[in-house]
Amino acid sequence: GAVVSQHPSRVICKSGTSVKIECRSLDFQATTMFWYRQFPKQSLMLMATSNEGSKATYEQGVEKDKFLINHASLTLSTLTVTSAHPEDSSFYICSAGYRGSPLHFGNGTRLTVT
Amino acid sequence: GESVGLHLPTLSVQEGDNSIINCAYSNSASDYFIWYKQESGKGPQFIIDIRSNMDKRQGQRVTVLLNKTVKHLSLQIAATQPGDSAVYFCAETQSNTGNQFYFGTGTSLTVIP
Repeated sequence: GAVVSQHPSRVICKSGTSVKIECRSLDFQATTMFWYRQFPKQSLMLMATSNEGSKATYEQGVEKDKFLINHASLTLSTLTVTSAHPEDSSFYICSAGYRGSPLHFGNGTRLTVT
Repeated sequence: GESVGLHLPTLSVQEGDNSIINCAYSNSASDYFIWYKQESGKGPQFIIDIRSNMDKRQGQRVTVLLNKTVKHLSLQIAATQPGDSAVYFCAETQSNTGNQFYFGTGTSLTVIP
């Protein structure tokens, strides 16, 4: 089955710094990947759709300049949380899949901003 | 987004009993639905899916029911086991507009041995 790998699994950074999270599709080419955010004991909220070779599409209310997405190849999307603040602390999860088929998820990145 | 994150409802069942987890979805145009299981600190895992041209689908120990009239999904787990303890989410999408899935509130299932 499709495998999505996400790195790092945990990151702690200081307020004001930027953090990059990588999402790779290991056994298939993903023209589209998706980034979700999850707060403790809450559901997954779709942040943006990452499109290979073009700009990401952001959900309403998600700051484009805060959450930079780059999808430079068919197997790699990156999410950069810029100038991170404590309120950005969360669980970030990427996913990929063929259209009309289930999404496969990475194991998430726990971001803690101190 | 189409769903609002709320604090998770909980369900406790005895080992061996059947579990029923419910989900209300929001978009009447959604035509593809998935149940995911999420264990602590991990990403969601696919359990079972159903398309809008069906109202029931069965897998191994799991059954999904879809009621489009009231926009309701349910997941039935037969003979629930301790390993079934997790958070369960339904997710919906309109398959002709891309592959964006929107997640429901979720239910935390605890199986009592």
